[in-house]
Amino acid sequence: DAKTTQPNSMESNEEEPVHLPCNHSTISGTDYIHWYRQLPSQGPEYVIHGLTSNVNNRMASLAIAEDRKSSTLILHRATLRDAAVYYCILRYDGSSNTGKLIFGQGTTLQVKP
Amino acid sequence: EPEVTQTPSHQVTQMGQEVILRCVPISNHLYFYWYRQILGQKVEFLVSFYNNEISEKSEIFDDQFSVERPDGSNFTLKIRSTKLEDSAMYFCASTRDGSTDTQYFGPGTRLTVL
Repeated sequence: DAKTTQPNSMESNEEEPVHLPCNHSTISGTDYIHWYRQLPSQGPEYVIHGLTSNVNNRMASLAIAEDRKSSTLILHRATLRDAAVYYCILRYDGSSNTGKLIFGQGTTLQVKP
Repeated sequence: EPEVTQTPSHQVTQMGQEVILRCVPISNHLYFYWYRQILGQKVEFLVSFYNNEISEKSEIFDDQFSVERPDGSNFTLKIRSTKLEDSAMYFCASTRDGSTDTQYFGPGTRLTVL
């Protein structure tokens, strides 16, 4: 499984945008970039995913570098509820892939009021 | 919105006892997973299950662990003889398709082995 690198922690002020970076320099052509987050005392939850193009959904935006070696999860207006551990995970699209998620340490986002 | 449920929310057991953790995945999902998270550590994959058989398991998933889908709705994780180091949060997840489809996680069962 391709490896990702994320900062251990980041801080943000409430109602400001947050940019969470992820490096994945060994990404292959069939790897999708997924983001999950884990709120305190809860199970992980899906945030967003993409392959090559930037993606938007109701939770966040995902900006993918042209060479796909890095990506950035963007929370447009952070709320206190967005304080969580954010995981950037590569998942390859192939018949031999059982779908397991390989979690790293993620980025712990602290949101200050 | 459909969700994955898990019972119990907290299980306390004595070392050497058997425990069964239960999960009800989302009803039209076909792929099922168990993960665990030791306090303060990262989430670790244990096992994936599809078409009534294990499709992949990690090194953690040794002979003390087993999984079953006994009745088409429940998905269980059994630990035959618990050890102190089995104390962790156990998360069940499910997805409609394998590979890169979104996984939906349950709230977890906190297992405490004394």
